[in-house]
Amino acid sequence: EDQVTQSPEALRLQEGESSSLNCSYTVSGLRGLFWYRQDPGKGPEFLFTLYSAGEEKEKERLKATLTKKESFLHITAPKPEDSATYLCAVQAGQGGSNYKLTFGKGTLLTVNP
Amino acid sequence: EPEVTQTPSHQVTQMGQEVILRCVPISNHLYFYWYRQILGQKVEFLVSFYNNEISEKSEIFDDQFSVERPDGSNFTLKIRSTKLEDSAMYFCASRASFGPGTRLTVT
Repeated sequence: EDQVTQSPEALRLQEGESSSLNCSYTVSGLRGLFWYRQDPGKGPEFLFTLYSAGEEKEKERLKATLTKKESFLHITAPKPEDSATYLCAVQAGQGGSNYKLTFGKGTLLTVNP
Repeated sequence: EPEVTQTPSHQVTQMGQEVILRCVPISNHLYFYWYRQILGQKVEFLVSFYNNEISEKSEIFDDQFSVERPDGSNFTLKIRSTKLEDSAMYFCASRASFGPGTRLTVT
């Protein structure tokens, strides 16, 4: 069974204080690792997909990295508007264009001004 | 950029009633999905739909649930006889794009 574990469950930062969120996974045949942002009462908003160990992707203050067992979401100089729950999900073992995802519980990030 | 849309945004129903949640996925995608998220819990896969039939379903997706693509654009999730524990956010997705969700409240 595919498993995704995110840590910490909650993280409180001061504006400008950089940090990292962790996503560790156990899957049979990783096809992709996804990061999403979720605001309260909203749907997950796609951020990144990583496909192979060593891959990195960046978007504004966010950078996602991938190893064979975990992924990190690095947040550089965060702003209050970065406050949200960040979700990690894996796509594994499926053929073709099936994007069935297994999610972690998320990390609730709060950035104080 | 194409988006997944869902209606209604909030549905309140009484226990035992049938509900239909609607989605318009991104048209040129092949697979469509329903997920649910109980308040405070993780997003859980319910079902995937490909070529007008169920491709895969989870243990949650029991006989009370059904999915349909009644026309070329809509994708629906039906819950036949709702239970209190069906209260959750329901998300439709195509590929990695999620809709805004329908909040289902069963009273």
